[in-house]
Amino acid sequence: DSGVTQTPKHLITATGQRVTLRCSPRSGDLSVYWYQQSLDQGLQFLIQYYNGEERAKGNILERFSAQQFPDLHSELNLSSLELGDSALYFCASSDGGGGGDLNTEAFFGQGTRLTVV
Amino acid sequence: AQKITQTQPGMFVQEKEAVTLDCTYDTSDPSYGLFWYKQPSSGEMIFLIYQGSYDQQNATEGRYSLNFQKARKSANLVISASQLGDSAMYFCAMRAQGAQKLVFGQGTRLTINP
Repeated sequence: DSGVTQTPKHLITATGQRVTLRCSPRSGDLSVYWYQQSLDQGLQFLIQYYNGEERAKGNILERFSAQQFPDLHSELNLSSLELGDSALYFCASSDGGGGGDLNTEAFFGQGTRLTVV
Repeated sequence: AQKITQTQPGMFVQEKEAVTLDCTYDTSDPSYGLFWYKQPSSGEMIFLIYQGSYDQQNATEGRYSLNFQKARKSANLVISASQLGDSAMYFCAMRAQGAQKLVFGQGTRLTINP
């Protein structure tokens, strides 16, 4: 058990809908990262928050947004869903990530499998 | 930009044999970290081992070791005495100095045969 909790584990929704994925980081970890894993794109970094502030942005679509709350949990919001958004969405957390940390292990949650139909 | 290449889409190994999973990387950053993760069929990503670019010795964690060849830009994972439970997808990843994200390779699916 990595200590990172993601809910829900599975989500099935229709095109055009909006969903929210939730992540609780390991106790004490300030950084939360979101990744998308799809068959065609592999594992892609979406966005990182550090202590409530956006720290880095990857290939995140404009239809997607995220935030990190004062209690450090994070939510990833996906809107106007398309079939191609079907993927496994991972949250990871680390105690570093404020800058310059190389050997900060990123511990991953079990992922949320999103299926858009 | 950083890039990770894993050239073995799949590997089949007999139980108890050692196995090497290949990983090459490309970066212009002098300081970086290399990671290996295991993803079993259940889907979670499990951290296995880390190697820093300035580490003098190859990293080891139990049955896992990382064969780091800096000049060749390779960071191969070696699993000794493979077990049936080692069957999974394995991902090599890197993080460059100042970058927050991990960049992943496409993965290698390892199957351990009894």
